[in-house]
Amino acid sequence: EAAVTQSPRNKVAVTGGKVTLSCNQTNNHNNMYWYRQDTGHGLRLIHYSYGAGSTEKGDIPDGYKASRPSQENFSLILELATPSQTSVYFCASGGTTNSDYTFGSGTRLLVI
Amino acid sequence: GDSVTQTEGLVTLTEGLPVMLNCTYQSTYSPFLFWYVQHLNEAPKLLLKSFTDNKRPEHQGFHATLHKSSSSFHLQKSSAQLSDSALYYCANNNAGAKLTFGGGTRLTVRP
Repeated sequence: EAAVTQSPRNKVAVTGGKVTLSCNQTNNHNNMYWYRQDTGHGLRLIHYSYGAGSTEKGDIPDGYKASRPSQENFSLILELATPSQTSVYFCASGGTTNSDYTFGSGTRLLVI
Repeated sequence: GDSVTQTEGLVTLTEGLPVMLNCTYQSTYSPFLFWYVQHLNEAPKLLLKSFTDNKRPEHQGFHATLHKSSSSFHLQKSSAQLSDSALYYCANNNAGAKLTFGGGTRLTVRP
């Protein structure tokens, strides 16, 4: 069954440390996305990709980098983690314009 | 710019009463609207989406109608169930295949 898998499910990081969140999809979708979810803000787009080798800035990219080494994998990188980046992060994959997304189960990140 | 607005952050209902969750949008291009539902500690999942042929999308008793004249895509259900308690997101897919989400509405259904 086609799916989006995120790892890790939970992560505790130290302020100033580097954090990498991973996402793998078996949907063969071109597009992949990283969102963060915070109470009162809903889902906000951080970075997205149209295919292997491409990354684009979303609405709140500051403090985050992304990497799309292959069709299946899309990573979100926090080079210098800060407590304000404590959140739940969702990866999603989607097909063409006007198509819906399939979300992963989320990564709960706590930066202390 | 493009945006999606869900005016109610929290909605509390008694089981059996009708549900209506509001969603309005601003869209540069022709809108394509979605409703997602997220139960506690789960991922958001597609509930329904708008069609371009005037069909009213329905799923699990929920329905929504895209009204371009009022830029709205409200979610409705005739009778709330306890299992409907969840976080609901309205979203618009603009050109470029990016979904713009509203702030979400948390629906709580009480016995």
